[in-house]
Amino acid sequence: AQKVTQAQTEISVVEKEDVTLDCVYETRDTTYYLFWYKQPPSGELVFLIRRNSFDEQNEISGRYSWNFQKSTSSFNFTITASQVVDSAVYFCALSEVDTGRRALTFGSGTRLQVQP
Amino acid sequence: GAVVSQHPSWVICKSGTSVKIECRSLDFQATTMFWYRQFPKQSLMLMATSNEGSKATYEQGVEKDKFLINHASLTLSTLTVTSAHPEDSSFYICSARLSGTYEQYFGPGTRLTVT
Repeated sequence: AQKVTQAQTEISVVEKEDVTLDCVYETRDTTYYLFWYKQPPSGELVFLIRRNSFDEQNEISGRYSWNFQKSTSSFNFTITASQVVDSAVYFCALSEVDTGRRALTFGSGTRLQVQP
Repeated sequence: GAVVSQHPSWVICKSGTSVKIECRSLDFQATTMFWYRQFPKQSLMLMATSNEGSKATYEQGVEKDKFLINHASLTLSTLTVTSAHPEDSSFYICSARLSGTYEQYFGPGTRLTVT
């Protein structure tokens, strides 16, 4: 069965520090999608990235970067030079294609607090 | 871009009453919509998958007679919480899958409080 693990429950950093949020997943499918979402206090999910299982290229978008490693079933997210506005709960999620389970399976989330 | 709306954004109801939550894809067609529930400080858990024109598929442990889902058109799915109880108080979020793709778009969520 599919599973997403975010072992870090809460992380607190000081502004301008770099921070990495870990995500480990389990799936038997060879074709799947991985996602990261940000959930600020308002509750609305903010889409950050989607990566398919055949694309292991790392991606950088501004201060955000993602490291996808199939060998370790990990899809880690790094924020460089963190800012107070980055404070939120971050979810990693998995969607399987082969089994047709299109819904997302979410990790438990990591609460990031960036102190000024 | 693809936009999904939910109505209402928050609702307070009394125990024993029913409340309906709407999920609309505003600028695209969605043959499949998903309903998730999020309790405070917890993750999102899938409740059910809603397919246009057919019965919803519920996850294990979700009472289908309590959480009625109707997906009558390609742009609208509704979730009705029947005979609501305080333990149903939660944040309900829907997502809509763009037909023919694997792309999903989330609504802003509905916060339900049952008193």
